[in-house]
Amino acid sequence: QKEVEQNSGPLSVPEGAIASLNCTYSDRGSQSFFWYRQYSGKSPELIMFIYSNGDKEDGRFTAQLNKASQYVSLLIRDSQPSDSATYLCAVSGGSGGYQKVTFGTGTKLQVIP
Amino acid sequence: KAGVTQTPRYLIKTRGQQVTLSCSPISGHRSVSWYQQTPGQGLQFLFEYFSETQRNKGNFPGRFSGRQFSNSRSEMNVSTLELGDSALYLCASNNPGEGGELFFGEGSRLTVL
Repeated sequence: QKEVEQNSGPLSVPEGAIASLNCTYSDRGSQSFFWYRQYSGKSPELIMFIYSNGDKEDGRFTAQLNKASQYVSLLIRDSQPSDSATYLCAVSGGSGGYQKVTFGTGTKLQVIP
Repeated sequence: KAGVTQTPRYLIKTRGQQVTLSCSPISGHRSVSWYQQTPGQGLQFLFEYFSETQRNKGNFPGRFSGRQFSNSRSEMNVSTLELGDSALYLCASNNPGEGGELFFGEGSRLTVL
């Protein structure tokens, strides 16, 4: 079982729709959860982080965390073609400590104009 | 504030050779992490350094090694290169305790022939 699992996609959504990206993790002790966006040919950049159960909103982005289900999700409202990228879920703070950030393989999102 | 700088950006080696990659973190950042990114495996954690000490290591063979200098600059070395080592090697820096966000460099793309 992979430590962090994501559906590789691609996930295709029409412009203006809500994109829902999901991630599960295996280390129940994980404490910190991140979503990174990576455009083709570029390096990852952080878009959201969440530490507590529940929802966290930042503009068009909402991160959701359910530690009991070991599940993290990212919702993108009013999706734009510029949101087309690979979204990486990352976790830390488990058995590897906070210095080891483990990434999923990413979900490729395509927003169709 | 300058970002994370990695050199060289591109390099081609042959099997059996060795390679050294360099990473200069953002000024003031003391933690440097290294990741290998391949299409099939995604971002895989190699190791993390803080104050010249390796604090965590991923599941890579001993051919992969690294070090950190007193100015926080880091190098990683891969000896006896194999075809499967062809990948994008990403370096990330941060300051532990400042939210956990990793700041990535542009990466060093290694091709092994």
